Amino acid sequence: QVQLVQSGAELKKPGASVKVSCKASGYAFSTHYMHWVRQAPGQGLEWMGIISPIGGGTSYAEKFQGRVTMTRDTSTSTFYMDLSSLRSEDSAVYYCARGHLPGVAVAGAAYDIWGQGTMVTVSS
Amino acid sequence: DIQMTQSPSSLSASVGDRVTITCRASQSISSYLNWYQQKPGKAPNLLIYAASSLQSGVPSRFSGSGSGTDFTLTISSLQPEDSATYYCQQSYSTPSTFGPGTKLDIK
Repeated sequence: QVQLVQSGAELKKPGASVKVSCKASGYAFSTHYMHWVRQAPGQGLEWMGIISPIGGGTSYAEKFQGRVTMTRDTSTSTFYMDLSSLRSEDSAVYYCARGHLPGVAVAGAAYDIWGQGTMVTVSS
Repeated sequence: DIQMTQSPSSLSASVGDRVTITCRASQSISSYLNWYQQKPGKAPNLLIYAASSLQSGVPSRFSGSGSGTDFTLTISSLQPEDSATYYCQQSYSTPSTFGPGTKLDIK
């Protein structure tokens, strides 16, 4: 079945970086864009950015520009989200989420498959 | 950025009730509006995309309507398993933005 499996929980100190992985299976890796969304404890959902599975082109929310890097490894069908200069406000569950329409980047994209989430805790 | 608002922020209803949640965008987003259901400790689940299209596998008691700036999610006959938080999301432009959520409890 179509699924996204994310890496496990992380505990990081302020100023450190974290890299979260998202392994896709059950569908053609190159057909759907991947989005990253985060959710702070008890809060709503926040879109972080998008990556193309083919060329690896990215678009990031302005809030995360300069701190986030999204990449993919086509040989293992895995996406990655790297967030640097962590602060306590970055403590959240990070999700990868698949755009539901093949080849569609942002406009019209809903997220039909989500990873299980990765809890990132930033604490000294 | 396009701002999304939802009302009410929370509500309590009985099994069998008809429930409506409203979502409003700060500017026109055509029909680029999606709805998600999220239960505690779980990832969101897509219910409705493009304002009114029912995602495969989602019960038909869920429906969506609207265009431009005003949208609604309706549950025609509330079931116990519908207790959750519901989010709207605009996918008209980058950055995609979500509403603050509506928490639905079953009486």
